[in-house]
Amino acid sequence: EVQVVESGGGLVQPGGSLRLSCAASGFTFGDYAMNWVRQAPGKGLEWVSLISGGGGDLYYAESVKGRFIISRDSARNSLYLQMNSVRVEDTAVYYCARGTTELDFWGRGTLVTVSS
Amino acid sequence: DIVLTQSPLSLPVTLGQPASISCRSSQSLVHSNGNIYLNWFLQRPGQSPRRLIYEVSKRDSGVPDRFSGSGSGTDFTLKISRVEAEDIGVYYCMQVTHWPRSFGQGTKLEIE
Repeated sequence: EVQVVESGGGLVQPGGSLRLSCAASGFTFGDYAMNWVRQAPGKGLEWVSLISGGGGDLYYAESVKGRFIISRDSARNSLYLQMNSVRVEDTAVYYCARGTTELDFWGRGTLVTVSS
Repeated sequence: DIVLTQSPLSLPVTLGQPASISCRSSQSLVHSNGNIYLNWFLQRPGQSPRRLIYEVSKRDSGVPDRFSGSGSGTDFTLKISRVEAEDIGVYYCMQVTHWPRSFGQGTKLEIE
């Protein structure tokens, strides 16, 4: 069974850093690109970033470019999102989702709250 | 960047009646390989998004055949032939042809 499980969310002060993780199982992790998608409280979905299956191609939304870094560890079947210089507007549930175009499996998300 | 505009944003429907959601793109979603990468998702209250339709009209496994997707170029539609209670939630279109990826604003389907 395909599963992706996010973790690492919490409360962080503006300007601080946080690292999110997504543990994948039930499929050959290296065969798939992976995405981060976020949803601010009561708002719609916003695509954040994608990393290719081999890790060599990275894409970011303009809103996070230069502040967030996506990475993956194939040995651990894990996806990461390093969030630096966070802002109040980064407050959201962060989901990981599988695939370059598929986004066919999503986790339950992890909540990041940016507040002083 | 590609902007996806959904309409309506709120959709009250009577059980058993049809429903239709439009998704219009600011640019053509035809990929250089000739495919169109437009997905539809349903987010039920308190749940993660679930993909219903991919590549405009291909239904995911387990998705009832009352759901159908159509469209081309810049205009796309999700149709539900007969709405059931389990269909309530917010529907999003998403383009995965161009960078950056983008979602529509969402359409909230409610039972009248």
